[in-house]
Amino acid sequence: KQEVTQIPAALSVPEGENLVLNCSFTDSAIYNLQWFRQDPGKGLTSLLLIQSSQREQTSGRLNASLDKSSGRSTLYIAASQPGDSATYLCAVRLSYNTDKLIFGTGTRLQVFP
Amino acid sequence: NAGVMQNPRHLVRRRGQEARLRCSPMKGHSHVYWYRQLPEEGLKFMVYLQKENIIDESGMPKERFSAEFPKEGPSILRIQQVVRGDSAAYFCASSPPEGDRGYEQYFGPGTRLTVT
Repeated sequence: KQEVTQIPAALSVPEGENLVLNCSFTDSAIYNLQWFRQDPGKGLTSLLLIQSSQREQTSGRLNASLDKSSGRSTLYIAASQPGDSATYLCAVRLSYNTDKLIFGTGTRLQVFP
Repeated sequence: NAGVMQNPRHLVRRRGQEARLRCSPMKGHSHVYWYRQLPEEGLKFMVYLQKENIIDESGMPKERFSAEFPKEGPSILRIQQVVRGDSAAYFCASSPPEGDRGYEQYFGPGTRLTVT
């Protein structure tokens, strides 16, 4: 059974810091991995999608890497800003099952000025 | 191109009533997924549908919950005889047809159900 874990559960940093959020999964047979952000009381915004054959994806100040063999992905946020404050979720899509996503537990990020 | 639409955004029901949640996928998307987020918990998969077919309902509670995605109109998640434990945020996501499996899932804003 696939389990997805995110560390740390919560993070509070001053503006300007570079951050690393971690996601680990127990079954390496994934189709892809997706990073989302969720603002309080709101829906999910897709940030990055990494296919199983890829090692990283970049969008602006965000960079996500994937190491399938070790069951890990990291989300790197450069030069953090208060507007980055949100909960960050990673989710894996299984390769041998339907297209459902298995979500991690989330990292609650607060960036203060 | 409008995103995934869900309505209502907030729904209050008394115990024992029925709740109907609607989801309109993005234009051109034929796959719909429902997820539930209980308070202080992560998102859990409930059901995956294509037009007129339930593909995977492994995450659906055995009783009181049902889902459909008719040929015309939105997908509906129906909860009969709601209980307080059904209070949660229900999210719908959609993705393009099967030939594009590499595409990501796009999420709607969610429906927040409160059972009093």
